[in-house]
Amino acid sequence: EAQVTQNPRYLITVTGKKLTVTCSQNMNHEYMSWYRQDPGLGLRQIYYSMNVEVTDKGDVPEGYKVSRKEKRNFPLILESPSPNQTSLYFCASSLQGAGETQYFGPGTRLLVL
Amino acid sequence: DAKTTQPTSMDCAEGRAANLPCNHSTISGNEYVYWYRQIHSQGPQYIIHGLKNNETNEMASLIITEDRKSSTLILPHATLRDTAVYYCIVRPYLRQLTFGSGTQLTVLP
Repeated sequence: EAQVTQNPRYLITVTGKKLTVTCSQNMNHEYMSWYRQDPGLGLRQIYYSMNVEVTDKGDVPEGYKVSRKEKRNFPLILESPSPNQTSLYFCASSLQGAGETQYFGPGTRLLVL
Repeated sequence: DAKTTQPTSMDCAEGRAANLPCNHSTISGNEYVYWYRQIHSQGPQYIIHGLKNNETNEMASLIITEDRKSSTLILPHATLRDTAVYYCIVRPYLRQLTFGSGTQLTVLP
């Protein structure tokens, strides 16, 4: 089944403790992206990647890192999480670019204490 | 990029057509109209997109006015599972998508 998977789905952590949220797609898509969703602010793009080893900042990149060493994986790294990064995170992928149909993962709900 | 205006919320009776409007009066010639929906806290789901012509797929129809300043997403026979937030997005092809606040559609039994 074609899908985007994220792990973990739920995470509670403390300020400053490094964490990684994994994202994987099995559709051989070139484009992958991370969004965060907060009440009243909608979905905002954090980072995106047009292909392996090519990443770019989205609208709200501060406090996040990403890497794209393989086409299928696009992990989101929070080196030193803070409470304002408490949010619902979505990974998405599409065949070639943002304009193509984007397939979203199920979401990761993060709480930073 | 063009801004979009959508009603905050709408209701629709189950089995009826749901018509969701979107105003994008500042749209430029190379910008597409996309529709996505998000069922409570799930990942957004692509519905349909178009440039000038009306489009139809297995989920919905997209009607774009001749001047392209507005569009309507039509769900022909709404079901309870169609209750979701519907996002109208206008972007040039291959540019990043920006999700606004959308329209909360509630399908009533």
